[in-house]
This record gives sequence, structure tokens and C-alpha cells, in this order.
Amino acid sequence: GAVVSQHPSWVICKSGTSVKIECRSLDFQATTMFWYRQFPKQSLMLMATSNEGSKATYEQGVEKDKFLINHASLTLSTLTVTSAHPEDSSFYICSASKGFREKLFFGSGTQLSVL
Amino acid sequence: KQEVTQIPAALSVPEGENLVLNCSFTDSAIYNLQWFRQDPGKGLTSLLLIQSSQREQTSGRLNASLDKSSGRSTLYIAASQPGDSATYLCALGDTGFQKLVFGTGTRLLVSP
Repeated sequence: GAVVSQHPSWVICKSGTSVKIECRSLDFQATTMFWYRQFPKQSLMLMATSNEGSKATYEQGVEKDKFLINHASLTLSTLTVTSAHPEDSSFYICSASKGFREKLFFGSGTQLSVL
Repeated sequence: KQEVTQIPAALSVPEGENLVLNCSFTDSAIYNLQWFRQDPGKGLTSLLLIQSSQREQTSGRLNASLDKSSGRSTLYIAASQPGDSATYLCALGDTGFQKLVFGTGTRLLVSP
């Protein structure tokens, strides 16, 4: 099956620093990738849709200047949490699809803890 | 706004039991519905995908049904095994591009 690799698996950072999370589709090309966030004991919530070669589309309430998304190639999307604060501590997970109406494949997720 | 609820929130059963997980949603205008399992540190694995025109999908010991008119889906797991222990999520897609709305999840524990 298709593989989506996400790194790092966990990261601890100081408040005010920036953190970059990578999401790679290893054996297929993904024109669209999605970024989700999950707070403890809550559902996964879509943050943004990342399209190769264009600007990401952010969901309502998600600060685009704080969560920078870059989808520079058909196999790589990155999420940068800028000036992280403790309230940004969460589980972040990406997903990618081979195409229209195809199954989604998820990365293993990144647990971010901001001190 | 689509709201997705899963019942029960947690379930503990002995090995071998057949079990049913429930997912209900408020807006029947869905494109598809997927069931995932979430394992700690391993992200999500897609189990079954049901298009809006379909009523059920089967894969091995898993069977998922979809009733759009009543806003419900069920995941049936036959002959449960300890390896089935995980959190199960249902998610609704509103377009073919897989923008998903996730349910609250059911945490399953199957004991030997």
C-alpha cells in the first residue's frame, strides 16, 4: 500500500521558536495533502489543504501566518508552526491521496509540546 | 456544519466477540464515509471506504454499512482479536478530494 512518511514523530520546543514538520508521499505523487490537528480527547480537525504549486487553503479559525504550509513538490508538504506557544501543543498529522475519490493515506503524526 | 458522533466512546470486550461500532452524522449530503483505526504513534490506517451511492463495504472480518437517510454508519467487527485494540474513527468526505470531518472516536480494547 501507499506510504506517507511524517517527521519528526515528536518534538519539544521552547515558546517563541518555530518548528517544521515534513510530510512525504514515498511511493506516489500527491497533488493534494491535508494537515489535521488533534487536541487531547478531541477529534481530528482539518487545518488546511495543501496544493502543490499554489497557496494552501486554511480552515476557518486557523491562522495562516502562524501555520505556514509549503507544498513545493508532488511528494512533499511542510507545516511550520511559527512562534510556537504552549496552546499550540497538539498532535499534528498529514494525509495524502493518490487522486480524486481515492483512499487517503496518513502519516504517523507529530506530537508537538511547547514549553 | 457537519457534526459526527461515535458511540460508544470506549468499549472493552473479551477476545472472540462480535461487536458493532456506531457513527452518526447530522448532514446527509456526504460524498463518502471512511472508517479508520488509529494506533498510538502509528497514525491512521484506512479500513473501509463507502461511497455515498453504496450501502456497505466488506474487508475480511470488517463490514461497514451506510444509511444516509438516517445519518448513520456502523462498523461490524467479527471474531474480535487483541490486535484489533485501537481507536476507531469514522470520517465523512464532502467532496472527492477527501476533505474529511472526523467523529469523536471509539476506543476499543480486546482482552485475551
